[in-house]
Amino acid sequence: DGGITQSPKYLFRKEGQNVTLSCEQNLNHDAMYWYRQDPGQGLRLIYYSQIVNDFQKGDIAEGYSVSREKKESFPLTVTSAQKNPTAFYLCASSLTGGNQPQHFGDGTRLSIL
Amino acid sequence: LAKTTQPISMDSYEGQEVNITCSHNNIATNDYITWYQQFPSQGPRFIIQGYKTKVTNEVASLFIPADRKSSTLSLPRVSLSDTAVYYCLVGDMGAGGYNKLIFGAGTRLAVHP
Repeated sequence: DGGITQSPKYLFRKEGQNVTLSCEQNLNHDAMYWYRQDPGQGLRLIYYSQIVNDFQKGDIAEGYSVSREKKESFPLTVTSAQKNPTAFYLCASSLTGGNQPQHFGDGTRLSIL
Repeated sequence: LAKTTQPISMDSYEGQEVNITCSHNNIATNDYITWYQQFPSQGPRFIIQGYKTKVTNEVASLFIPADRKSSTLSLPRVSLSDTAVYYCLVGDMGAGGYNKLIFGAGTRLAVHP
């Protein structure tokens, strides 16, 4: 089945540690996105990428970094500079950018130890 | 930047039709209207998308008046499993219009027995 796979489902980070969240898609989509969701809130865009080797900051990019070396992969690193990283992280992809329907993964829940 | 306004919450009962209205007064000519559904601890799921008049698929209908300043998602004969958060988004279908997409807090629909 085609879809988006996020791993791990749960992740714990120690203070001062960087962690990387994985996102893989086999939908042959050009565009990929990372969102953060806090309890009871909507989704906020962290980074997005419309093509390989290109990505743009979203609304809350500080403390995060990404890479897009392959079309199917868009990993997100939560750095130690992100002071409040506890959240639900969602990865999505769409055929192209714009308002094309986005397909979401099942998310990674990150917590601080 | 196209902004949307939705009710924070709604309640309904099994078997009823539910209509959720979204206001988007500054929608642009090239913008499409898209609705997503999100269950707890899952990524949002695309429901329906439209530009004008009426769009219907196997799960919902989308009504868009001529001035396009609002839209209504209609869920026929809801069941308990339709309890979720529903998001309305407005944005350009073209790749360059991505920055206009905003997932707000959405509408929390609770379906009761």
